[in-house]
Amino acid sequence: GAVVSQHPSRVICKSGTSVKIECRSLDFQATTMFWYRQFPKQSLMLMATSNEGSKATYEQGVEKDKFLINHASLTLSTLTVTSAHPEDSSFYICSAVTSGGAGDEQYFGPGTRLTVT
Amino acid sequence: AQSVTQLDSHVSVSEGTPVLLRCNYSSSYSPSLFWYVQHPNKGLQLLLKYTSAATLVKGINGFEAEFKKSETSFHLTKPSAHMSDAAEYFCVVIPSGSARQLTFGSGTQLTVLP
Repeated sequence: GAVVSQHPSRVICKSGTSVKIECRSLDFQATTMFWYRQFPKQSLMLMATSNEGSKATYEQGVEKDKFLINHASLTLSTLTVTSAHPEDSSFYICSAVTSGGAGDEQYFGPGTRLTVT
Repeated sequence: AQSVTQLDSHVSVSEGTPVLLRCNYSSSYSPSLFWYVQHPNKGLQLLLKYTSAATLVKGINGFEAEFKKSETSFHLTKPSAHMSDAAEYFCVVIPSGSARQLTFGSGTQLTVLP
């Protein structure tokens, strides 16, 4: 089946630094990837839609200059949290849609736990 | 527009007893409906999906769900709970023909007691 990986699985960084999270589709090409944020004991909140070769589409209220998304290839999207602050601490999950595949299903990565100290 | 309501934020069952996690939806289009499971600090795993074929959908690990259009429901069931079923479960709706615009329910935490 379709597998999506994320790296790193956990990261701790100091306030003011930037952190990059990678999302890879391992055995399929993904024209579209999604980035979600999940707070403890809450549901997933869509942050942005990442399309290969074009600018990401951000959801309302998500700062595009703070959460930089790059979808440089059909198998890789990156999320960079710039000038991170403790309130950015969260669980970040990506998902990917296959190109011309089964259609509606999104395949989710295992998530990245970000802690900003 | 679509929305999903998971009627219980927390469900607790004893091992070996049936599981029922309730989900109601609203959608302007013929929806696709999914159930995902999330174990602590893990990503989401697809349990099952309904995409306008059979209304009774069988998924992994013995779970199944029935799409009832008249009740706008898509409840998740399992005849006999196992300790490993303890996790967070999300009901998700997508408008037909679109892989975007996922709408997540608020989640139901399932606890399985020994």
